Amino acid sequence: AQKVTQAQTEISVVEKEDVTLDCVYETRDTTYYLFWYKQPPSGELVFLIRRNSFDEQNEISGRYSWNFQKSTSSFNFTITASQVVDSAVYFCALSGPSLYTGANSKLTFGKGITLSVRP
Amino acid sequence: DVKVTQSSRYLVKRTGEKVFLECVQDMDHENMFWYRQDPGLGLRLIYFSYDVKMKEKGDIPEGYSVSREKKERFSLILESASTNQTSMYLCASSFGVDSNQPQHFGDGTRLSIL
Repeated sequence: AQKVTQAQTEISVVEKEDVTLDCVYETRDTTYYLFWYKQPPSGELVFLIRRNSFDEQNEISGRYSWNFQKSTSSFNFTITASQVVDSAVYFCALSGPSLYTGANSKLTFGKGITLSVRP
Repeated sequence: DVKVTQSSRYLVKRTGEKVFLECVQDMDHENMFWYRQDPGLGLRLIYFSYDVKMKEKGDIPEGYSVSREKKERFSLILESASTNQTSMYLCASSFGVDSNQPQHFGDGTRLSIL
């Protein structure tokens, strides 16, 4: 069975601090994809990044960076110099196979981390 | 830009009613999904559809059914609404059967069952 654990439930930081959101996953599949989504107070989930299981290179996009380590089954997300607009719930998700198509179309989500950035 | 539209932002229904939640996407996506989101539980998959008239149960299908008569529309049906189905419902769609494209989400429907 697939599982995604986001052990941190709520994090509060002051603006300009760096913050890391942890994600640990479990899967028996050799090919899988990991995702991060952001859910601002407006409610719509916004896709941030996708990483496949064969690509362990870290990725940086502006103030955001992601660290994928297959050896520890982790896919952590760091926000550098946080801003108030980063306040949101962040979800990590893992792709899983469809019983009918075999394709990795479904996602298993973690429970989310609520990040509050104070001015 | 992909647009996933859910018919209602807020909905209040009574116990025992049959409730329909509608979702439409405008990008010709093959896959469509229904989730519910509850505090402390994250997003849980109710049903998903990978083609017209095709559906697959998710993790919590009990008490729900779905309908996909057209590619762009995916309906979630609460056959006989109960108070424990009060929740935020999110619809999503994604491209391709085997491509792992990201899912695109609607704004959500906050459903209250009284």
